[in-house]
Amino acid sequence: GAVVSQHPSWVICKSGTSVKIECRSLDFQATTMFWYRQFPKQSLMLMATSNEGSKATYEQGVEKDKFLINHASLTLSTLTVTSAHPEDSSFYICSALLPVDTDTQYFGPGTRLTVL
Amino acid sequence: QKEVEQDPGPLSVPEGAIVSLNCTYSNSAFQYFMWYRQYSRKGPELLMYTYSSGNKEDGRFTAQVDKSSKYISLFIRDSQPSDSATYLCAMRGDDYKLSFGAGTTVTVRA
Repeated sequence: GAVVSQHPSWVICKSGTSVKIECRSLDFQATTMFWYRQFPKQSLMLMATSNEGSKATYEQGVEKDKFLINHASLTLSTLTVTSAHPEDSSFYICSALLPVDTDTQYFGPGTRLTVL
Repeated sequence: QKEVEQDPGPLSVPEGAIVSLNCTYSNSAFQYFMWYRQYSRKGPELLMYTYSSGNKEDGRFTAQVDKSSKYISLFIRDSQPSDSATYLCAMRGDDYKLSFGAGTTVTVRA
């Protein structure tokens, strides 16, 4: 099956620093990836849609200058949380669309970010 | 009002029981309906996928969609302790943006 990986699986950083999270499709090429955020005991909230070779599309209320998304290749999308603050602490999950089965999103294992 | 409503539970059942989960939604544009299973600190795993109204069965899992009532269900027969997880309903329209329910935490007691 389609495998999506994320790195790191968890990260702790100081307030004011930037953190980069990688999302990779391991055995397929993904022209479209998605980034979600999930707070404890809450649902996944879509942050942005990442398309290879073009600018990401952000959902309403998501600051594009704070959450920088780069989809430079067909297998890699990155999310950089800039000037992180404690309220950015969350579980960040990416997903990828399989080109031959665009009805299905395959999710990565998630990255837990804790900002001190 | 949230676009997708799902009772977060928790739901606790004995092994072998039928687990019944459901979601309601408000957006008439939703046509694709999914159920995901999520273990603690892991990404969601797709369980069932249904297009439009109807039933779909896959092993011990049955998904039902009633678009007229904007109501979807997931049934797990002969539940096992390994089924203990959080179950998320998700749905979308013609774009690929998924709207998720809050998730229901299920515990199957041995």
